[in-house]
Amino acid sequence: GEDVEQSLFLSVREGDSSVINCTYTDSSSTYLYWYKQEPGAGLQLLTYIFSNMDMKQDQRLTVLLNKKDKHLSLRIADTQTGDSAIYFCAELTGTASKLTFGTGTRLQVTL
Amino acid sequence: GAVVSQHPSRVICKSGTSVKIECRSLDFQATTMFWYRQFPKQSLMLMATSNEGSKATYEQGVEKDKFLINHASLTLSTLTVTSAHPEDSSFYICSARAPDRILNYGYTFGSGTRLTVV
Repeated sequence: GEDVEQSLFLSVREGDSSVINCTYTDSSSTYLYWYKQEPGAGLQLLTYIFSNMDMKQDQRLTVLLNKKDKHLSLRIADTQTGDSAIYFCAELTGTASKLTFGTGTRLQVTL
Repeated sequence: GAVVSQHPSRVICKSGTSVKIECRSLDFQATTMFWYRQFPKQSLMLMATSNEGSKATYEQGVEKDKFLINHASLTLSTLTVTSAHPEDSSFYICSARAPDRILNYGYTFGSGTRLTVV
């Protein structure tokens, strides 16, 4: 299957910006998503970007998509302690429209 | 917005018994639901795609006789782990393809079920 790679861990100080990166491999992906998972919980959709877009901003969240490099990033401005969680990127691929998840990045926000 | 309810949230069972996990779409009809498995500190791995009124499609390496999926109605899919063993202990999450006014459809996730087999 396709591998969607993310760095494992990111630590930032409260108030700083966080940038979480994702590298995907399927150039035919139509939608790319960012999900947040808190401990012991399901996944919460944060934002998404369509493959013909380069950037999307939604309040504190900014998504950048570089199709040439198959690189997706999520920037969280003014990071808060409540943002501490695991963040997964996911791509929608194939005729079966299945989501393929990245390996996940654990974001730790320190005071 | 679309809500998916998953029950139970946590279950402990004895080795050799079967466990059923339910996934319900509360305010929409879901013709397609997905079942994922997540090991500690790992990503979600798709186990199977559940289609209402037809047989589930299992991913490679997933035993269909071990993980029985039933999607008998447009609002309910169930995953039954048969003859559970300790290696089946994991976090199971369901997802439903839901109508979305922007995306045409989106994917809404249940809150997950922590299965521990002792």
